Amino acid sequence: DQQVKQNSPSLSVQEGRISILNCDYTNSMFDYFLWYKKYPAEGPTFLISISSIKDKNEDGRFTVFLNKSAKHLSLHIVPSQPGDSAVYFCAASAGYWNNNDMRFGAGTRLTVKP
Amino acid sequence: DADVTQTPRNRITKTGKRIMLECSQTKGHDRMYWYRQDPGLGLRLIYYSFDVKDINKGEISDGYSVSRQAQAKFSLSLESAIPNQTALYFCATSPGRRYQETQYFGPGTRLLVL
Repeated sequence: DQQVKQNSPSLSVQEGRISILNCDYTNSMFDYFLWYKKYPAEGPTFLISISSIKDKNEDGRFTVFLNKSAKHLSLHIVPSQPGDSAVYFCAASAGYWNNNDMRFGAGTRLTVKP
Repeated sequence: DADVTQTPRNRITKTGKRIMLECSQTKGHDRMYWYRQDPGLGLRLIYYSFDVKDINKGEISDGYSVSRQAQAKFSLSLESAIPNQTALYFCATSPGRRYQETQYFGPGTRLLVL
């Protein structure tokens, strides 16, 4: 069972515009959510995270929003740049001792066109 | 130099062969993980280790075994490889010292089982 779902396999946006990547989860025990970015031939790299006690976390051009009642989170990239083109994975985990049990979505491939 | 390294980066093997994938880290982290990535499924946890003496099965451990030789080294073995173990394998680490940690990934090993 996929507890973390990214329903859009791909997204294409114009440089300078906003990119919005979405993620849904089913396990109400998840309390920590992360976004990773992956370039070809490289491992995923951490981008931004949010704890379930918050509904928004911002880091430069990247903002993650969490809607616990809808079990939904989104990543906003403003403004989008060609270097942001990558696969983005949403991940979620449940508590310190379950940090091992991090579940990942299938990923969304973002293409930012110049 | 990369903090988390994986060897080999690419491997082709035949059904029934035993192979080992190796992971080393210089981050000084206690926790290490092995994941596999398949198209449309994201990353799934195979095994994880909280320290040298603590090894645990993940979501999909059947057909795999691991060895934590030292804090810095964590190996994944396929005792008798089969074609559906063809995938991209990632090693990851995390400090293991605070709540809600980020995991740091190696560059991956692409495995093809013929």
